[in-house]
Formats: sequence, structure tokens, C-alpha cells
Amino acid sequence: AQSVAQPEDQVNVAEGNPLTVKCTYSVSGNPYLFWYVQYPNRGLQFLLKYITGDNLVKGSYGFEAEFNKSQTSFHLKKPSALVSDSALYFCAVRDGAAGNKLTFGGGTRVLVKP
Amino acid sequence: DSGVTQTPKHLITATGQRVTLRCSPRSGDLSVYWYQQSLDQGLQFLIQYYNGEERAKGNILERFSAQQFPDLHSELNLSSLELGDSALYFCASSVGPNLNTEAFFGQGTRLTVV
Repeated sequence: AQSVAQPEDQVNVAEGNPLTVKCTYSVSGNPYLFWYVQYPNRGLQFLLKYITGDNLVKGSYGFEAEFNKSQTSFHLKKPSALVSDSALYFCAVRDGAAGNKLTFGGGTRVLVKP
Repeated sequence: DSGVTQTPKHLITATGQRVTLRCSPRSGDLSVYWYQQSLDQGLQFLIQYYNGEERAKGNILERFSAQQFPDLHSELNLSSLELGDSALYFCASSVGPNLNTEAFFGQGTRLTVV
């Protein structure tokens, strides 16, 4: 069965500093990996995805993620965090063999302090 | 705005009652997914419809059912409601049946069972 782990419940970072949100996954086939962000009282907004190709994926709002097959990780990064990046971030995986559902991690709350 | 519309935004109802949540997918998307987000269970996949047909089933209770209509909108029916059904219910849509691209989420319906 596929699974996703986000080992940190919360990440605190000062504005202007680099931001990293960790994600590791387990799937039986080739992974399709996604990051979503959820602002208070809002739905999930798509940030970026890895399907195939370059291991470094660039997404919305200056975010990027690095796919590492050997470490089964897909960490989300932003070089310089903004206060407005404070939100709940979810990593998700679609099993390449199964196809039809996203399995989400438990979420990581990011707090960017001015 | 993701293009996925969910109504109502909020719903308060009593235990034992039945409610219907509605979702209109993005224009051109044929797949609709339903997810439940609760504090203790996180984001859980419930069910997927593709072009009117049930495609995949997740952790959906027998008291819950869904359907997708010819105009591709979908409804999630929750019956014999219990306090534990209180959660945020999300609908998402994607183009094809197999999540080969990202899914776009609506803003959710917050259900409170009292």
C-alpha cells in the first residue's frame, strides 16, 4: 500500500530565510508526487508535481521540490520565505500502478515570522 | 480560484439526519473525487467518479453514497449522520481517469453534526 510521511508537524522560519518541508513516500510502482497548500478556511491549492523527468521541479509562488528516488523523498523548498507562505502544506502520492487516488501525508504547518 | 465549485460552504445538522453535498468540476474535467478532512484522520479519499461511472472507492462508509450526473456535477449523500461525521468534505476534479495530471480542489463543505 502506498503511504506518505511528513515528519514535521510544524516548521518555523524567519521571513527571508530558506524554507524546507520534508516528505517521504512509499509506493509499489513509479510514484507521481504532488504538493498542495491549504490556507485557513480554503481548499487545497496545487503547487507542483513530479511525474517523470528532471528531479528538480519548479512550481507556483517560487516553490520547488527535489525528487530523490534512492531516499524516496520529495522535499518542498523555497529559497526565501514570505510571511504569506504561512499555511498548511500537504505532500501526496499517486501510485503509478494503482492510478486513481491520492494518498496524503498528515500535513506540515509552516509559520513564517516577520 | 480552482474552478471547482462546492455548495454549500457550511452545513449544520442534527444526528440521524441526511445531507447532500454538491460539486461542479472544472470545465472539461471528467473525473470527480471526494475527500474527507478531519483532525484525527487527516485527508481521506472517499470515492471517484469518471464520466458518470464509479471508478474507485476508498474509505467510504456504507451510510455515504455518491453519484455523478450527465452534466458531470457530483453529489455526495451522507445519511444517518453521527457526531463523528463532522468534517470538511472536499471535491476535486481532473481531466482523465487516472490522475496523470494534478487534481484541482474546491473550497470544501464544512459539515457540523450536532
